[in-house]
Amino acid sequence: AQKVTQAQTEISVVEKEDVTLDCVYETRDTTYYLFWYKQPPSGELVFLIRRNSFDEQNEISGRYSWNFQKSTSSFNFTITASQVVDSAVYFCALSEARGSGGYQKVTFGIGTKLQVIP
Amino acid sequence: SAVISQKPSRDICQRGTSLTIQCQVDSQVTMMFWYRQQPGQSLTLIATANQGSEATYESGFVIDKFPISRPNLTFSTLTVSNMSPEDSSIYLCSVGGRRTFTDTQYFGPGTRLTVL
Repeated sequence: AQKVTQAQTEISVVEKEDVTLDCVYETRDTTYYLFWYKQPPSGELVFLIRRNSFDEQNEISGRYSWNFQKSTSSFNFTITASQVVDSAVYFCALSEARGSGGYQKVTFGIGTKLQVIP
Repeated sequence: SAVISQKPSRDICQRGTSLTIQCQVDSQVTMMFWYRQQPGQSLTLIATANQGSEATYESGFVIDKFPISRPNLTFSTLTVSNMSPEDSSIYLCSVGGRRTFTDTQYFGPGTRLTVL
């Protein structure tokens, strides 16, 4: 069974500090997808990134960067120069095929609540 | 990505009543999903709704408690029946473009339900 572990339940940083959110996953499949979502206090889940299991290149998008390492089954998320608007709950998720039809099964981690203090 | 809306955005309901949540998408999608997020918890998939067929429920969720309709490719409803305080949660619908696991799921704004 697939599993996503976000060991950090809450993190507080002072504005402008860098912060890394950890995500470790378990899966038996060789083909899978990993995601990060942001959930601000308003409640809506905002898609941030998708990465497939065959692409281990790190990705940078503005102040956000992601480090995918299959050897350690990790997909960590770093925010550089954090801002108050980054305060949210961040979810890591894993998508696998389920059944012969390839239907989607997405497993979410428990989330990491990030508080950026001004 | 699709634009997804949900109604109501929040509600406070009495024990024993039912609430129907609507999810509207601005484009046709094959797969729609309903999730529950209990306070301070992660997302749990309730069911997958395909147009023209019965919804597929996850373990621990039953149709009598969470009936789902999917009358067309842009709309779905989830009913929370005979509510109890334990049903107080955020309910989110999401959409995937095709029925494959490679797709990104995009989420609606959620419905915050409080049951007294």
